[in-house]
Amino acid sequence: QVQLVESGGGVVQPGRSLRLSCVASGFTFSSSGMHWVRQAPGKGLEWVAVIWYDGSNKYHTDSVKGRFTISRDNSKNTLYLEMNSLRPEDTAVYYCAREGGRITMIEYFFDYWGQGTLVTVSS
Amino acid sequence: QSALTQPASVSGSPGQSITISCTGTSSDIGSYKLVSWYQQHPGKAPKLIIYEVSKRPSGVSNRFSGSKSGNTASLTISGLQAEDEADYYCCSYTGGSIYVIFGGGTKLTVL
Repeated sequence: QVQLVESGGGVVQPGRSLRLSCVASGFTFSSSGMHWVRQAPGKGLEWVAVIWYDGSNKYHTDSVKGRFTISRDNSKNTLYLEMNSLRPEDTAVYYCAREGGRITMIEYFFDYWGQGTLVTVSS
Repeated sequence: QSALTQPASVSGSPGQSITISCTGTSSDIGSYKLVSWYQQHPGKAPKLIIYEVSKRPSGVSNRFSGSKSGNTASLTISGLQAEDEADYYCCSYTGGSIYVIFGGGTKLTVL
């Protein structure tokens, strides 16, 4: 069965960096686009970034552009989110999610989600 | 770009049907068939229940259905059950530099 397991969250001071990881299993990771979606405490969902199945394309939403970078290592079945210059408003549970579109396609819906990892940005 | 607009809450009795609306613009819902819906129980990850406006993933009850008209998408849940009590989020591709936009979420209470 499909499993996505995030790690790397924690408490970090404003301006510092953090790297999140998401280990995938139960499907052909190298054939699937992957996303990061976040949810601030008590708030709604916010899409963060997408990366194509082969890493050839990656897009980030405006609020994190230039600070966050999505990447992947298909040899390790692992998705990453490098977060720099963190701000208090980045405090959220970060979910990795599998792209639900057809193999190698990106249709911007998410058919499997991890359990999430909490990032708290506070001094 | 603002979030898609959903009612903050809806309620219904067991066995009844409810509909949750999701209003966007001609730049998102109105332009693409890439509307999806997610169910989220407290403390849990979201679960996909509708994609591409009206398609149901394998394993999702046929009590859930989706539709779209103009700039507004809708999720209908028929035969309400206690387990349907959860938060529901709509989502649409929007292109530009935002790419994906979610609704603010609707809390469904089963009376």
